[in-house]
Amino acid sequence: DIQMTHSPSSVSASVGDRVTITCRASQDISSYLAWYQQNLGKAPKLLIYATSSLQSGVPSRFSGSGSGTDFTLTISSLQPEDFATYYCQQANSFPLTFGGGTKVEI
Amino acid sequence: EVQLLESGGGLVQPGGSLRLSCAASGFTFSSYAMGWVRQAPGKGLEWVSLVGTSGSDTFYGDSVKGRFTISRDNSKNTLYLQMNGLRGEDTAIYYCAKSHGANFPGSRYFQQWGQGTLVTVSS
Repeated sequence: DIQMTHSPSSVSASVGDRVTITCRASQDISSYLAWYQQNLGKAPKLLIYATSSLQSGVPSRFSGSGSGTDFTLTISSLQPEDFATYYCQQANSFPLTFGGGTKVEI
Repeated sequence: EVQLLESGGGLVQPGGSLRLSCAASGFTFSSYAMGWVRQAPGKGLEWVSLVGTSGSDTFYGDSVKGRFTISRDNSKNTLYLQMNGLRGEDTAIYYCAKSHGANFPGSRYFQQWGQGTLVTVSS
């Protein structure tokens, strides 16, 4: 199975900050990676798929990059509603796997 | 507007069975792969299962393989998860999710999610 590892596991930031989250796959997953945002008590929300494609309706301050085993999610200017937990997910092979998440907090 | 409404969760004893349902609306259900993802209390997301558009292609996570069965009824726009041999570690919120498409790789990204149904396995 492909293991997905987030770093850091949590990050403290302020409104307006630029935040970068990293996800590493245990083997090459090409560009088959998605990012999800989950606010407390809510269902996850797809932000980015195929490494860098922005899901419809997602603000452009979110962006993704990477390939192979190393991927990043960047929030260019953190907004109050962005304080949440972010998960990466590989779609290269079954079983599909999620990372353990990165919590973005104040 | 896409809506996914899960039902069927509840309290069940270890070894018991439960069937979850997910009623879908607002899109052409038969054109999208569908899946289940779960989240244990205070933990991260874990993929459970995925079914292709026709229902003939099914995939499972290692922890549920042989115990859970995913299916769909395209005439009723409904997704199911039959869960047998339940264990304490199956306790979680179970989310129904609509995939991004019918085929790889879109079928493996979860574009929309329901609000989830809680399954508690305890004696």
